[in-house]
This record gives sequence, C-alpha cells and structure tokens, in this order.
Amino acid sequence: SQTIHQWPATLVQPVGSPLSLECTVEGTSNPNLYWYRQAAGRGLQLLFYSVGIGQISSEVPQNLSASRPQDRQFILSSKKLLLSDSGFYLCAWRAGTGYNEKLFFGSGTQLSVL
Amino acid sequence: AQTVTQSQPEMSVQEAETVTLSCTYDTSESDYYLFWYKQPPSRQMILVIRQEAYKQQNATENRFSVNFQKAAKSFSLKISDSQLGDAAMYFCAYRSAADMRFGAGTRLTVKP
Repeated sequence: SQTIHQWPATLVQPVGSPLSLECTVEGTSNPNLYWYRQAAGRGLQLLFYSVGIGQISSEVPQNLSASRPQDRQFILSSKKLLLSDSGFYLCAWRAGTGYNEKLFFGSGTQLSVL
Repeated sequence: AQTVTQSQPEMSVQEAETVTLSCTYDTSESDYYLFWYKQPPSRQMILVIRQEAYKQQNATENRFSVNFQKAAKSFSLKISDSQLGDAAMYFCAYRSAADMRFGAGTRLTVKP
C-alpha cells in the first residue's frame, strides 16, 4: 500500500543548531516529493519539490536545503536554524495521474526554534 | 510563479446552511489542476474535491461543489448542508506539472 512516513513529530532546537527532517514513501517509485511549511495561523508555503533523485527545485531562498539521496527519501536540512524557521513542516508525495491523482501528506513535524 | 489567493481568512456558517469559500489564482499555463483540501485540528490534509482545467463541468462530491471560472481564474468551493464536522481550515491548491501551490487558507467555523 502507498504510505508516507515523516519524523520526528515534534522537535525543539536552539537557534544556530542544525536540522534534519526525513521523509520516506512506500508503495510507489519515482514519486514527486514536496516540503511545505505552515507557520502558526498561516497557509502552506512551498519550500522544495523534487521530481527525481538529486533533482531539487527551491521556491524560497533561505537557510534551508533539501536533498533526495534515494528515490523514496526526501530530507530537509539546515546548518544553522533561525527563530523564523519555527513552524509546522509537511512532507507530501504526489501519486497517480488524471482522475486518480492524489497528494499524500505526512503527519508533519512541529519545529520550535528557541 | 503561479500564485493562489484566498481572500477570506475566516468564515462562519450556521449548521445546515450553505457557505462559499473563494479562491483565485494566477497562471499562464493552459493545462493545470485545482484542488480544495481540508485541514482539521489533527493537521492532516484531506482532499475535498479536484477540478481539471480542461473540463468545463464543475466538479461535485456529495455536499461539496465548485464554481470554476477559467477565464476569471476563480475556483470557489460551496459547502451545502454544513455539518459540525466541516469545521476546519480549507486550502485552495493549484498544480501544473510538478509545481503544487496552496493558498493561505480559510478557517471555517460551523455554528450549531
């Protein structure tokens, strides 16, 4: 079955510390993968998307980066976190085509930078 | 870049009544897809309804329907016979090729 795993669920990090959020999918190959951030009380901001291994499109210039070392693995990283990086991070996987297309979301990571 | 705009940060509706959520988008593409997602307090994203841009007929899913105006780049969601369980954040989304973007969301409150 098709599923997506995202961890950790919550994370509290000091300013200036590194970050690594991981997302993996099961039940498909060559998926389109996405990282979104949702700040408190606000909408979803597209951060990165990937159409294949090593292919990353960045939407927002900032201190975050993404990598796709394997077909079903998508990692969000930062070398030094900022206070403004706090938010709810969602990984998503788009599957299927046409009427059967679906967007699967991970359970999210609540990141608090203190 | 394509943008999605939801101009109503908050909306409320009486139970059993009808409410319409607005969404506009900006694109130069001719082939794309539009979606409405629901995000309850659990924060999971749930697909409510989708519309292919090449289809003129408005999509419907039970109590949910859309008014798709391609020329005006408008994509509103109508919820009929509102239920308490409809209370959530609603996001309008646009996709062309791999690029998938969301609006800022509308928080819907349903009053008993």
